[in-house]
Amino acid sequence: QKEVEQDPGPLSVPEGAIVSLNCTYSNSAFQYFMWYRQYSRKGPELLMYTYSSGNKEDGRFTAQVDKSSKYISLFIRDSQPSDSATYLCAPYSGGGADGLTFGKGTHLIIQP
Amino acid sequence: EPEVTQTPSHQVTQMGQEVILRCVPISNHLYFYWYRQILGQKVEFLVSFYNNEISEKSEIFDDQFSVERPDGSNFTLKIRSTKLEDSAMYFCASSASSAAAYEQYFGPGTRLTVT
Repeated sequence: QKEVEQDPGPLSVPEGAIVSLNCTYSNSAFQYFMWYRQYSRKGPELLMYTYSSGNKEDGRFTAQVDKSSKYISLFIRDSQPSDSATYLCAPYSGGGADGLTFGKGTHLIIQP
Repeated sequence: EPEVTQTPSHQVTQMGQEVILRCVPISNHLYFYWYRQILGQKVEFLVSFYNNEISEKSEIFDDQFSVERPDGSNFTLKIRSTKLEDSAMYFCASSASSAAAYEQYFGPGTRLTVT
């Protein structure tokens, strides 16, 4: 069963803080792990993706995947008010043209 | 930077009417998708489309829905006989290939309101 769980929040932190966003999943077939950012009433924007287990860094963002525990994390360093959005994890099994399975998202608020 | 575009941004229709939502995917992309997001809920996959036919579809995508690529640039979602519960944001997405199908780029969405 494809299922993705995220704490919906809201998660409110002061500007400059390190943010940790997490996601769990149940389907061991997932191989790719995407993080999308969604501003209110806008389309999801692809932030970054990771293949299999491990870490990937892109500027202030670090994605981490632990397939053994089916746990996905996104870390944001030096958080900015413009980072305030809903963050969606979306694991994907790979191959063909399957749709992404999204979590409900975590609403993040960065306080100036 | 290339982007997915969608029209209209907001569509209001009466229950029982047919609506067509339009999308222009990124020009060199080959795979196209429709998703929906009911207010306050998660983004849900509806259908994927490749080479002028449906590749995958979810349980949500029943006979009420259809997709079409009427020309070389547009990709449409038709909803026949709309119901109140069809009210949602509808997002179009595209990806470059099946090997990169995990890398999907979304449009800004069409907000459908069924009254």
